[in-house]
Amino acid sequence: SSELTQDPAVSVALGQTVRITCQGDSIRNYFASWYQQKPGQAPLLLIYGKNDRPSGVPDRFSGSSSGNTASLTITGAQADDEADYYCSSRDSSGNPYVFGSGTKVTVL
Amino acid sequence: QVRLQQWGAGLLKPSETLSLTCAVYGAPFSHYFWNWVRQPPGKGLEWIGEINFDGGTKYNPSLKSRVTMSQDKSKNQFSLRLSSVTAADTAVYYCVRSRDKYYDLLTGIKFLDFWGQGTLVTVSS
Repeated sequence: SSELTQDPAVSVALGQTVRITCQGDSIRNYFASWYQQKPGQAPLLLIYGKNDRPSGVPDRFSGSSSGNTASLTITGAQADDEADYYCSSRDSSGNPYVFGSGTKVTVL
Repeated sequence: QVRLQQWGAGLLKPSETLSLTCAVYGAPFSHYFWNWVRQPPGKGLEWIGEINFDGGTKYNPSLKSRVTMSQDKSKNQFSLRLSSVTAADTAVYYCVRSRDKYYDLLTGIKFLDFWGQGTLVTVSS
């Protein structure tokens, strides 16, 4: 079972804003990273740490954290943002990566 | 441009050993950490383990007894072996680069920044 909890699915109207959350005790102590995965493709790093984006990731993606919850916000969602989104952080034992169960984002 | 290219057997019988190799292009092998992550069909991601530039390894405790990772720095390659596979090991396996970023002496993050294309490994009798 995952130590990081995500909502299974969310929907957002085209051009609107959606927040995807990731809850877990390890978030209190460690930064999260966020990955986007489209069907049949490898995951893509979107956000890591304090709110850093790799080169090429649009600035409509942003990250934040408070308490035991990390959040990924998509501001002005595009049709191309329809995908699964996974958070990751260290686990409670300090192992480098545990993933959330993923959130499927549908753009209406 | 960083590229990870992976290969290995895609169909195994129960009790056999899974073996995958990943070649790294466009990145100095010694500067990063090298990981394997898997994803069962229709399910989420699971980290398997990492190997660093010195050959040091960390494994997911749930798989540790069956996992061996190794590297060949002369070829810029690293490998995964998973023994005694069962149907539960059926998944797409990804090789992935990771690195650290530190914001100060005590605060940092490790993240997975470049992924291979994935290899579907099916375990079936």
